[in-house]
Amino acid sequence: SQTIHQWPATLVQPVGSPLSLECTVEGTSNPNLYWYRQAAGRGLQLLFYSVGIGQISSEVPQNLSASRPQDRQFILSSKKLLLSDSGFYLCAWIGGLSSYNEQFFGPGTRLTVL
Amino acid sequence: AQTVTQSQPEMSVQEAETVTLSCTYDTSENNYYLFWYKQPPSRQMILVIRQEAYKQQNATENRFSVNFQKAAKSFSLKISDSQLGDTAMYFCAFMKFQGGSEKLVFGKGTKLTVNP
Repeated sequence: SQTIHQWPATLVQPVGSPLSLECTVEGTSNPNLYWYRQAAGRGLQLLFYSVGIGQISSEVPQNLSASRPQDRQFILSSKKLLLSDSGFYLCAWIGGLSSYNEQFFGPGTRLTVL
Repeated sequence: AQTVTQSQPEMSVQEAETVTLSCTYDTSENNYYLFWYKQPPSRQMILVIRQEAYKQQNATENRFSVNFQKAAKSFSLKISDSQLGDTAMYFCAFMKFQGGSEKLVFGKGTKLTVNP
């Protein structure tokens, strides 16, 4: 079965510090991968998605970047964190037509920027 | 661009009763999927139910059912026999076919509290 991992689970970082969040998927190949951010009391905002290695699409201009160095690895980064980067970050992959395009989500990373 | 609106930021229901959460969406597409996701306090996103737009029959999963009104662009979720474990944020989401780069658009969510 497919599983999706995210780490770290929680992170507290000072303003101006770098960031690296990692997402890995097991049990599938060539998945579409997604990064979402959920601010307090809000819905999910799509940040980036990737349809393959090295292929990144950005949905909103921001302080963050994403990379996909391997088929089942998706990384969210920042060179200098802002207070507004605080939130709950979710990685997801899409199951494809066989699972009616259901998106499966990782457990998330809670990021607090102080 | 597609938008999803959930007009009820918070709702509450007594255990064992029925509650309906509202969702409307805006699209010019004819083929698409609709989803309801549940996010309990653990914050894990869990799929509750899905609906393909080309299907007229409303989807049902145990105590969860939808009322899909395609012409009205409405997709409400009914929870019957509410249980304490149903307490969570509920998100309505829309996905259009996009040739391999499908993306979900989420509403802002409804916080549901089931009271004992």
